[in-house]
Amino acid sequence: AQKITQTQPGMFVQEKEAVTLDCTYDTSDQSYGLFWYKQPSSGEMIFLIYQGSYDEQNATEGRYSLNFQKARKSANLVISASQLGDSAMYFCAMRERSSGNTPLVFGKGTRLSVIA
Amino acid sequence: NAGVTQTPKFRVLKTGQSMTLLCAQDMNHEYMYWYRQDPGMGLRLIHYSVGEGTTAKGEVPDGYNVSRLKKQNFLLGLESAAPSQTSVYFCASSYSSGTNSPLHFGNGTRLTVT
Repeated sequence: AQKITQTQPGMFVQEKEAVTLDCTYDTSDQSYGLFWYKQPSSGEMIFLIYQGSYDEQNATEGRYSLNFQKARKSANLVISASQLGDSAMYFCAMRERSSGNTPLVFGKGTRLSVIA
Repeated sequence: NAGVTQTPKFRVLKTGQSMTLLCAQDMNHEYMYWYRQDPGMGLRLIHYSVGEGTTAKGEVPDGYNVSRLKKQNFLLGLESAAPSQTSVYFCASSYSSGTNSPLHFGNGTRLTVT
């Protein structure tokens, strides 16, 4: 079974609007971390935001926030006031405590296109 | 601030040729990783290392070998390249294996096997 599911292969959003990128995860661990990365067309992977499973508050970093719904096992990325530079691939990833040294497991990504 | 550096950036190989991808990090990180990225597949882990002298298999290790002789370097080798290994390869490192430790990525190597 997939650990990380991103159901939206592609999304469009109007500039200055908010957009939500979906991510659901599968784990039986109580302790885990969720990450979002951005990959612009230039190809580098940029770490955006982190949410711990025990964090009671949703994580925020500037225009990025993470809508964490633990019972539903979802960790959606919300980008407010979209900018043309937000056009990129976005990847959701998870690291579970029980897996010990196992690295991040990634979803297949969502391509976001911001329209002027 | 170099971070994670991958060389080369691009490479074209013929089927059966061999090559080594080099990853170097200057952040004194213990953990290093090699991923491959293919369209529609996300990033898949090839091999990783939890410290100097150690390596472990990831999700898609076949056809690859790795070595971590020095803490700052992690090498990925292809002994006999196949067209199925055409991909973008990313190296990453992290300070720890804790659930809150993000990966820091290099800029990737685009490999084409003809």
